[in-house]
Amino acid sequence: QKEVEQNSGPLSVPEGAIASLNCTYSDRVSQSFFWYRQYSGKSPELIMSIYSNGDKEDGRFTAQLNKASQYVSLLIRDSQPSDSATYLCAARLPDYKLSFGAGTTVTVRA
Amino acid sequence: DAGITQSPRYKITETGRQVTLMCHQTWSHSYMFWYRQDLGHGLRLIYYSAAADITDKGEVPDGYVVSRSKTENFPLTLESATRSQTSVYFCAGQPGTSGNTGELFFGEGSRLTVL
Repeated sequence: QKEVEQNSGPLSVPEGAIASLNCTYSDRVSQSFFWYRQYSGKSPELIMSIYSNGDKEDGRFTAQLNKASQYVSLLIRDSQPSDSATYLCAARLPDYKLSFGAGTTVTVRA
Repeated sequence: DAGITQSPRYKITETGRQVTLMCHQTWSHSYMFWYRQDLGHGLRLIYYSAAADITDKGEVPDGYVVSRSKTENFPLTLESATRSQTSVYFCAGQPGTSGNTGELFFGEGSRLTVL
């Protein structure tokens, strides 16, 4: 079992809608979680980090963490064509390595 | 500018050849990482380094060698390239020295094709 699993997608949403991305992790000891965005042919860039249970909002992005359910999600509100990318969920493991999910590709339809 | 520069950006080589991918950083990142990215697998950690002369294996280290004699350079060497090592390789760094926070800055990637 992979340490970090993401809903495989691809996900297609109309412009202005909410895109919802989900991620589960297997190691209960993981404490830090991250969402990276990767445009086609480009390198990943960090967009959100979350360390505590609950919601964390940054502009149109909201990350949600539920440690009891070992579940992390990312909501993109008012989706724009520029949000079309692959989103990578990552968890920091107890040995401090960062484990990534396979990614979910989001396409925002104009 | 994340301060991570990779070279070459594109490389084609043949099976059995030695290949070195270079990674240079200008932000005094303490931690540095090499990942490979393949369709369906996401990013997989090959090796990482906490500081000069300190390196450790990641998830998929077989067939790769790293060194870090200077803080700013972290080259990745494929000693005898195989077709399964065809991939996009990313070098990443983490600013600061306060431990591995997981907040990484990535280089632009090196696309390697092994024929």
